[in-house]
Amino acid sequence: EAQVTQNPRYLITVTGKKLTVTCSQNMNHEYMSWYRQDPGLGLRQIYYSMNVEVTDKGDVPEGYKVSRKEKRNFPLILESPSPNQTSLYFCASSRYRGRAYNSPLHFGNGTRLTVT
Amino acid sequence: KQEVTQIPAALSVPEGENLVLNCSFTDSAIYNLQWFRQDPGKGLTSLLLIQSSQREQTSGRLNASLDKSSGRSTLYIAASQPGDSATYLCAANTNAGKSTFGDGTTLTVKP
Repeated sequence: EAQVTQNPRYLITVTGKKLTVTCSQNMNHEYMSWYRQDPGLGLRQIYYSMNVEVTDKGDVPEGYKVSRKEKRNFPLILESPSPNQTSLYFCASSRYRGRAYNSPLHFGNGTRLTVT
Repeated sequence: KQEVTQIPAALSVPEGENLVLNCSFTDSAIYNLQWFRQDPGKGLTSLLLIQSSQREQTSGRLNASLDKSSGRSTLYIAASQPGDSATYLCAANTNAGKSTFGDGTTLTVKP
């Protein structure tokens, strides 16, 4: 089954304790992206990647890191989490052809992170 | 900076009604526009993707239109059903990989 898998689904942690949220897709997609969703602020793009070893900042990259060493994986790293990073996080992927992705974004089921 | 607005924020209709959800964007230099559905506690499911060169896309009871010059897209849902109850989001996407989402329209279809 074609899917985007995020782990964990739920995570509670404390301020300053480094964590990684994993994202993996089995569709051989070139493009992957991370978003956070907050009440009243909607979905905002954190980082995205056009292909292996290529990453770019979205609208809210501060406090986050990503890496794209393999095509299928795109982990989101919080080096020193803070309470304002409490949010619902989504990973998505898509094919990328030519100058842009022209196929639908496929989303994971989300990771609910709480930082105390 | 791209801004995407969805109106109305919430909509409640009786079953069987046809309805229109609106999405407007400030920067017309988009590559495509995508409509999603989100159920409570779940991820987003893609409904329709319209390329900037297209005017509309259809899938079953759903029809999405795009007018780049006026910065507008609409999602038309025909013969609504209670199972259509969800939040509907639109996203304006650039050819450089950036996505800007609207805040969504929460639809309730009453039996």
